[in-house]
Amino acid sequence: QVQLVQSGAEVKKPGSSVKVSCKASGGTFSSYAISWVRQAPGQGLEWMGRIVPILGTANYAQKFQGRVTITADKSTSTTYMELSSLRSEDTAVYYCARMFKLGGWYYFDYWGQGTLVTVSS
Amino acid sequence: QSALTQPASVSGSPGQSITISCTGTSSDVGYYNYVSWYQQHPGKAPKLMIYDVSNRPSGVSNRFSGSKSGNTASLTISGLQAEDEADYYCSSYTSSSTWVFGGGTKLTVL
Repeated sequence: QVQLVQSGAEVKKPGSSVKVSCKASGGTFSSYAISWVRQAPGQGLEWMGRIVPILGTANYAQKFQGRVTITADKSTSTTYMELSSLRSEDTAVYYCARMFKLGGWYYFDYWGQGTLVTVSS
Repeated sequence: QSALTQPASVSGSPGQSITISCTGTSSDVGYYNYVSWYQQHPGKAPKLMIYDVSNRPSGVSNRFSGSKSGNTASLTISGLQAEDEADYYCSSYTSSSTWVFGGGTKLTVL
């Protein structure tokens, strides 16, 4: 059974950065990709980007280009999402999600428990 | 990449059927048959309900079904049950090699 366990809640000042981790267990870490999805309070889901750990390559939503960095440490089966230049609008629950091939393409089949990031002065 | 368009809310009585629409563009929903649907209960992580437009993962009730026509995908829930009350999100792969979600639909079981 795949489990994704994320780091705890964070409170950050505007202009600072946050780094959230997502540790995977079960399955073979290098055989799938991990995406990061955020959800602002009372709002919908927003895809931020993904990484393919076996390749070490990442791609990002245009909205977050230049401000988000997703990395992976294969030795610990952990993925990281770092968001910089934080502003109040970045207050959200951040989820990591496994991307697994089902049928024709890749879908988010397992999710972490979410990490609340609050940006406040 | 703009979010896919979903109705903000739908409602139905137990036993009835409801349909949630998800409208995108020829660069996402209309480009590939890689549409999925997620159910999210309050305070919980989303759960995959439909993939490849109309396929159900193992363990998902056959009361959930999906379809697509052009740039619009749909999720139908038949035989509504109280436990179906949740938020539902569609998602699509895009021609830019990214993923996009819909704005979400709140389902109320009356």
